[in-house]
Amino acid sequence: GENVEQHPSTLSVQEGDSAVIKCTYSDSASNYFPWYKQELGKRPQLIIDIRSNVGEKKDQRIAVTLNKTAKHFSLHITETQPEDSAVYFCAASNRNTGNQFYFGTGTSLTVIP
Amino acid sequence: DSGVTQTPKHLITATGQRVTLRCSPRSGDLSVYWYQQSLDQGLQFLIQYYNGEERAKGNILERFSAQQFPDLHSELNLSSLELGDSALYFCASSVAGDGTDTQYFGPGTRLTVL
Repeated sequence: GENVEQHPSTLSVQEGDSAVIKCTYSDSASNYFPWYKQELGKRPQLIIDIRSNVGEKKDQRIAVTLNKTAKHFSLHITETQPEDSAVYFCAASNRNTGNQFYFGTGTSLTVIP
Repeated sequence: DSGVTQTPKHLITATGQRVTLRCSPRSGDLSVYWYQQSLDQGLQFLIQYYNGEERAKGNILERFSAQQFPDLHSELNLSSLELGDSALYFCASSVAGDGTDTQYFGPGTRLTVL
């Protein structure tokens, strides 16, 4: 089955700096890659996603890049703010994986004011 | 608010007991997923239903079972509860459930087993 690895597990940045979180996947058939943000005790919320026919997608301060050849995708947050502090999860899925998302282990991001 | 609802928000029970968690998907979504998140852990996929039928199974224990009803709400039944079952249980829903559409998560049920 699919195996998703996520790095780093913790990340601290100064307010205004950029943050980058990387994920790798093993199943070359994976074609949908969502990113979720989870604040303490709250539900995971989709912040951005990308499909395999696209190499990059941007939404204001958040961007995701996908390299299908290398089987990795990354989340980029620019001009970080304290409210960006949360745990971020990546995931990968495709129609052959039994319709389930395979999640990374999460990155705890702390933005220091 | 994702449109996915879960009840109850909190549940405290004793070892050996049985509980039922309930989930209502977003309007129009046919697929429901259940996840378990233990303290400081990631999201573990348990099971998926699509339009009343089981579609995918993850690391779900035999003591756990689920079903999706004709009105598309779903229930997760946890029996013979152990201390290690204490966790946040999330339900998510999506339109088609084919693995490539967005899943929207509910607020979760926090289960504490004493």
